Amino acid sequence: EADIYQTPRYLVIGTGKKITLECSQTMGHDKMYWYQQDPGMELHLIHYSYGVNSTEKGDLSSESTVSRIRTEHFPLTLESARPSHTSQYLCASSEVNRGRVDQYFGPGTRLLVL
Amino acid sequence: GNSVTQMEGPVTLSEEAFLTINCTYTATGYPSLFWYVQYPGEGLQLLLKATKADDKGSNKGFEATYRKETTSFHLEKGSVQVSDSAVYFCALSEGGGYNKLIFGAGTRLAVHP
Repeated sequence: EADIYQTPRYLVIGTGKKITLECSQTMGHDKMYWYQQDPGMELHLIHYSYGVNSTEKGDLSSESTVSRIRTEHFPLTLESARPSHTSQYLCASSEVNRGRVDQYFGPGTRLLVL
Repeated sequence: GNSVTQMEGPVTLSEEAFLTINCTYTATGYPSLFWYVQYPGEGLQLLLKATKADDKGSNKGFEATYRKETTSFHLEKGSVQVSDSAVYFCALSEGGGYNKLIFGAGTRLAVHP
């Protein structure tokens, strides 16, 4: 069973607020990812990290930012939330070893911006 | 670029029916292929995978075979249960050490008693 955690699970917040979505994993994985999932289900990669102090933009442009100061922690921040940011955000991690390509997902954070 | 195409849902079946969800891909090189499942209110769980041509992934009665000649990875189950109701995502890994996943749009399955 994967040990990857996301908090909060649900968040309702007003426009203009700063929010941070937390993601932690206890598997020692170097690679971590953030996906945004549309209400229509499609998943889009918005950020990823190869390891500490490494962050890259994903395939879908996002106004969010991420940081990777510790291996186990990969938080996502929105400086000023807007209704267009309403979505589900999924965090994932995987091992570096190319023979092991599985990504493990957290339970997700459902964000609603009013 | 690389892409994954899944059959559109929703798919509605009666319990014990046979399930097929089609998935085809476009990729350069030799990607790994995956099926993930998402139950209501949860994140994604890896259901099965195949890392090279002709590999068959299987788990919980689900199977999929990596067909390079048809660039397909169709998901099948011989007898579905109500508890299989979920959204199923086909995905490929671009490899190259990045392990980035490219997902299909997802197929919602509803199984009725």
